[in-house]
Amino acid sequence: SQELEQSPQSLIVQEGKNLTINCTSSKTLYGLYWYKQKYGEGLIFLMMLQKGGEEKSHEKITAKLDEKKQQSSLHITASQPSHAGIYLCGADGGGSNYKLTFGKGTLLTVNP
Amino acid sequence: DAGVTQSPTHLIKTRGQHVTLRCSPISGHKSVSWYQQVLGQGPQFIFQYYEKEERGRGNFPDRFSARQFPNYSSELNVNALLLGDSALYLCASSLAPGAFGAFFGQGTRLTVV
Repeated sequence: SQELEQSPQSLIVQEGKNLTINCTSSKTLYGLYWYKQKYGEGLIFLMMLQKGGEEKSHEKITAKLDEKKQQSSLHITASQPSHAGIYLCGADGGGSNYKLTFGKGTLLTVNP
Repeated sequence: DAGVTQSPTHLIKTRGQHVTLRCSPISGHKSVSWYQQVLGQGPQFIFQYYEKEERGRGNFPDRFSARQFPNYSSELNVNALLLGDSALYLCASSLAPGAFGAFFGQGTRLTVV
């Protein structure tokens, strides 16, 4: 079964600093999703990557997919307190396997 | 347009009881998936339904069951509750199985005492 490892598990940054969260898969990535979650709440869809080398940006958040390394990274530029939360990566198993497999999440704290 | 809605938002049950959680997908979405998220972990896949048929099942005991109705809403049922069933239960909807960008509801926080 596919496993996703996220690093770091937690991260504390000063407002305005850049940061990167990584997600590494044990198997080939067919589709990689990034979500943000506030404690105890639902998941907010950030972006989805499908192709190797694909890069997407939304506001100050950029995600990349390295298909060969079976890895994705999420980069936040000039972090703000509103970026604080839990970031989760989820992978599509491909084919008829429609479930998403998630990493354990990265807890981001942004200090003003 | 309303997003994915789940009810109730919070629930406290006693061990051995039964619980039913409800989910209404985004209008036009025909696929609903259920996930369990225990504290400190990522969501774990429980079920996926599409057009009222089960399309996928995760590694959960038979105490967990679900169904999808003609209006595409769904129920998750858990029998004989255990303390370990305490978790946030998330519902996700998409246009079809495998469709990109599954959208999640706010979840139901179940506490078993």
